[in-house]
Amino acid sequence: KQEVTQIPAALSVPEGENLVLNCSFTDSAIYNLQWFRQDPGKGLTSLLLIQSSQREQTSGRLNASLDKSSGRSTLYIAASQPGDSATYLCAVKYSGAGSYQLTFGKGTKLSVIP
Amino acid sequence: NAGVTQTPKFRVLKTGQSMTLLCAQDMNHEYMYWYRQDPGMGLRLIHYSVGEGTTAKGEVPDGYNVSRLKKQNFLLGLESAAPSQTSVYFCASSFPTEYHHFGNGTRLTVT
Repeated sequence: KQEVTQIPAALSVPEGENLVLNCSFTDSAIYNLQWFRQDPGKGLTSLLLIQSSQREQTSGRLNASLDKSSGRSTLYIAASQPGDSATYLCAVKYSGAGSYQLTFGKGTKLSVIP
Repeated sequence: NAGVTQTPKFRVLKTGQSMTLLCAQDMNHEYMYWYRQDPGMGLRLIHYSVGEGTTAKGEVPDGYNVSRLKKQNFLLGLESAAPSQTSVYFCASSFPTEYHHFGNGTRLTVT
């Protein structure tokens, strides 16, 4: 079964710190990988999408990298702010006929302390 | 441009009752999905659709039915609700290779 793992499950950092969230996946035959943010009681907000042919994507203070050969992606957040506090989810779209769904990790809950 | 809209936002059902969750998107996306999110389990796909008039089973389809009569709408039905279906339900839509866009969810409690 294809799985997506996110470590750590929770992370607490002081404001201003740079941080890295990790995502690993079991099968390198992926189509794309997406990072989402989820605030309590809310839906998911798309942050970055990396196609399988790409190595990284950047948006503002966020940078996501993809290494298919090692089955890993990282989300780098620069100069963290209290407003970054949320749960961050990694999701993989695997390749193959009939593969339409995203396989989600269980998320990393980030707390940025003022 | 509302994106993905889910109704209702909250619902409490008694075991055996039925209900329909509505998802509407205004982005002309071909693909639509229903996920459920449970503590410790992450998001799991229930059913999905790759176009008007088509539906297919996902990872956890038992106890649910879906219909996509119009491109912009995707309905999720529970014919006989069970406590195990207590969850937060999310609808999403996308073009085939692009971002999933999610609604804000429906919190369902079955007593």
